[in-house]
Amino acid sequence: QKEVEQNSGPLSVPEGAIASLNCTYSDRGSQSFFWYRQYSGKSPELIMFIYSNGDKEDGRFTAQLNKASQYVSLLIRDSQPSDSATYLCAAEMNRDDKIIFGKGTRLHILP
Amino acid sequence: DAGVIQSPRHEVTEMGQEVTLRCKPISGHNSLFWYRQTMMRGLELLIYFNNNVPIDDSGMPEDRFSAKMPNASFSTLKIQPSEPRDSAVYFCASSLGRDRILSTEAFFGQGTRLTVV
Repeated sequence: QKEVEQNSGPLSVPEGAIASLNCTYSDRGSQSFFWYRQYSGKSPELIMFIYSNGDKEDGRFTAQLNKASQYVSLLIRDSQPSDSATYLCAAEMNRDDKIIFGKGTRLHILP
Repeated sequence: DAGVIQSPRHEVTEMGQEVTLRCKPISGHNSLFWYRQTMMRGLELLIYFNNNVPIDDSGMPEDRFSAKMPNASFSTLKIQPSEPRDSAVYFCASSLGRDRILSTEAFFGQGTRLTVV
């Protein structure tokens, strides 16, 4: 079983709508979770991190964590064309602190 | 701080040649990661250092790959001999490591695009 799994997409969302990105992880002991955005040809950059169960909001972005279900999600409200990118979910592996990434979900915001 | 610095940005080499990728982490960060990114496999962790010590190299694909971190401000990833299937973007990232209990985010360098022909 892969340690961090994401749907590769592409996920197409109309401009102004809510984009919902999902991720599951296998290490039940993981405590830190990260969402990165990667534009084509660029390096990943952090959007949000979450440690506690529930929701965490930052501007148009909301991260959600459900440790019982081993599930992390990212909601992007009022989607903009500039949000079109690949979104990478990452989890810190509890046993040795290494940070493992999913393959990413390609998001395309339709103008 | 200038962020994580990688060199070279691009490398084209012939099969069988030795390739050395370099990384300077953010000052004060004590964790350093080498990742490889391809379309097929996504972002794979190759090796992880903490306080200059290799903690987990289980992601290193084979003996042709080696990594060192001789001091807190420099790391190398070497491929010898290189093969066409090694073509990928190689990222170095650094982080503060565990901030007492919880891991902190990893900051990425700009990457090295390696092409082996």
